[in-house]
Amino acid sequence: GQNIDQPTEMTATEGAIVQINCTYQTSGFNGLFWYQQHAGEAPTFLSYNVLDGLEEKGRFSSFLSRSKGYSYLLLKELQMKDSASYLCAVLDSNYQLIWGAGTKLIIKP
Amino acid sequence: SAVISQKPSRDICQRGTSLTIQCQVDSQVTMMFWYRQQPGQSLTLIATANQGSEATYESGFVIDKFPISRPNLTFSTLTVSNMSPEDSSIYLCSVVGGSGGDDYEQFFGPGTRLTVL
Repeated sequence: GQNIDQPTEMTATEGAIVQINCTYQTSGFNGLFWYQQHAGEAPTFLSYNVLDGLEEKGRFSSFLSRSKGYSYLLLKELQMKDSASYLCAVLDSNYQLIWGAGTKLIIKP
Repeated sequence: SAVISQKPSRDICQRGTSLTIQCQVDSQVTMMFWYRQQPGQSLTLIATANQGSEATYESGFVIDKFPISRPNLTFSTLTVSNMSPEDSSIYLCSVVGGSGGDDYEQFFGPGTRLTVL
């Protein structure tokens, strides 16, 4: 079966750095996405990785290791507005998005 | 990017009735999807809305319960039929690509929050 695992909840301090991990087992791989979803709102696109390595976008970076079936989202200089759920999703061989359950990130002052 | 609007934004409905949700995109897109998200849960794909042909439903979802229309490349509707309290959820329209968007970027509408009494 297809499976995406990410922690249910994480807590971090304003100004700090946090890493949210995602491991996956899917039938084929055509890329991995990270989305941010604030409570009561629709998900918004953060990043897309299809090759191994680190992609940096401002305060957010995303890393992929295809051989390990592993990705992480790194958030630096945390701000209170970063409190949200972060969803990991993998595009499988049928170009279907398989979604993780999301990681709720709580930022404390 | 693609700008997506949904109507209604929320509704409270009685058991046994039906609700049609509209999704409008500001540019022509090939792929449109309908998702459901229950509180605290991740997204569940209901179906892919195909322009000019019947929608492609995921396991556990059937056309009689969730009929979908896609008359053109910018508009789709999802109907939740014969509703029960278990249908209470957020329903999200989503598209891939859009004007100026990369082929892999998936954009979401604001969602329709449905409560069935």
